[in-house]
Amino acid sequence: EDQVTQSPEALRLQEGESSSLNCSYTVSGLRGLFWYRQDPGKGPEFLFTLYSAGEEKEKERLKATLTKKESFLHITAPKPEDSATYLCAVENQGGSEKLVFGKGTKLTVNP
Amino acid sequence: DTAVSQTPKYLVTQMGNDKSIKCEQNLGHDTMYWYKQDSKKFLKIMFSYNNKELIINETVPNRFSPKSPDKAHLNLHINSLELGDSAVYFCASSRRDTPEAFFGQGTRLTVV
Repeated sequence: EDQVTQSPEALRLQEGESSSLNCSYTVSGLRGLFWYRQDPGKGPEFLFTLYSAGEEKEKERLKATLTKKESFLHITAPKPEDSATYLCAVENQGGSEKLVFGKGTKLTVNP
Repeated sequence: DTAVSQTPKYLVTQMGNDKSIKCEQNLGHDTMYWYKQDSKKFLKIMFSYNNKELIINETVPNRFSPKSPDKAHLNLHINSLELGDSAVYFCASSRRDTPEAFFGQGTRLTVV
């Protein structure tokens, strides 16, 4: 069964303090690994898709990387508006077209 | 000009009632989904439809019945609501050839 484990569950940073969020996954064949951002009371907002080990993608202060067992979401010089819950999900190559999500990391960036 | 829209946003109802949540997407996507997010914020798929055909039906009580009148709409009907059904339900859609799913704002269902 596909599994996604995210750590830490919660992370508090000071504005400008860079850090990384971890997503470890177990999947029989990875079609894609996805990062989403979720703000309170809203639906998840798509950030990145990574397809193969070694791939990296960037968007503003966020950079996602992928290995064969895990993905990292690096946050460089975060701002308070980066505060949100970050969700990681995987899709199996089996063509099921379903995302299996981790429980998320709640990030709080203090000014 | 919302891409994936759900109604209602909030739903409070008594145990035993039947209720429906509606979802519409204007992205031209072929695949639509229902996800459930429980009190611990864990997001789990319930159903997916591709061009009105049921593709995924996870272990969900048969009190939950999705209906897709056309590929832009996927509604969720719930019979005999129970306290444990309280959660936030998200509709999502994606293109057949790209797996990125776009989510609606969610429907917070509270069963009292």
